[in-house]
Amino acid sequence: KAGVTQTPRYLIKTRGQQVTLSCSPISGHRSVSWYQQTPGQGLQFLFEYFSETQRNKGNFPGRFSGRQFSNSRSEMNVSTLELGDSALYLCASDQDGLYGYTFGSGTRLTVV
Amino acid sequence: TQLLEQSPQFLSIQEGENLTVYCNSSSVFSSLQWYRQEPGEGPVLLVTVVTGGEVKKLKRLTFQFGDARKDSSLHITAAQTGDTGLYLCAGLYGNQFYFGTGTSLTVIP
Repeated sequence: KAGVTQTPRYLIKTRGQQVTLSCSPISGHRSVSWYQQTPGQGLQFLFEYFSETQRNKGNFPGRFSGRQFSNSRSEMNVSTLELGDSALYLCASDQDGLYGYTFGSGTRLTVV
Repeated sequence: TQLLEQSPQFLSIQEGENLTVYCNSSSVFSSLQWYRQEPGEGPVLLVTVVTGGEVKKLKRLTFQFGDARKDSSLHITAAQTGDTGLYLCAGLYGNQFYFGTGTSLTVIP
């Protein structure tokens, strides 16, 4: 069974640009969640998608957005990047969002 | 404000020693998970506990869910260098998981 795949693994962007990250969940998993991880704040919840609908949203500004496609693959977008957006972005999938996650390896975003 | 507080934040021990890390909250959770994360990788789910007072064992790791489902502990017996990593607890509150602050464990050979 393939795991959760996140692309790209590493990304360097300039302040003010926008970025799109991709996540392919485990086959059959309908829930996809996104987290931002930084040394100071730990794992912070961004949003969760279930069957193409945003089911939960964390306390992040509107610059952070996401979507889920009919095949459960998900993307998240960050517009107008700021230096503070530098972080490890983790995608996690679950069958129904209630059992426990399988995480991807993450995308390391560096904003310069 | 963190819903789940973990202690200690950092722990450095010698190989072969025993240790316990804690995950505490004032909120009641439907279930609680423990994860281990290695540098540059995503967290890996170790266990899910659901029932108050539940104890689960995974080889040298023992997980306990508090009777009131507000706290949990992870005990490692005879730690090995391969146990090194960031240990995270996560509680299901409503329909969302909330992660703890993490305990960074280093096992010295």
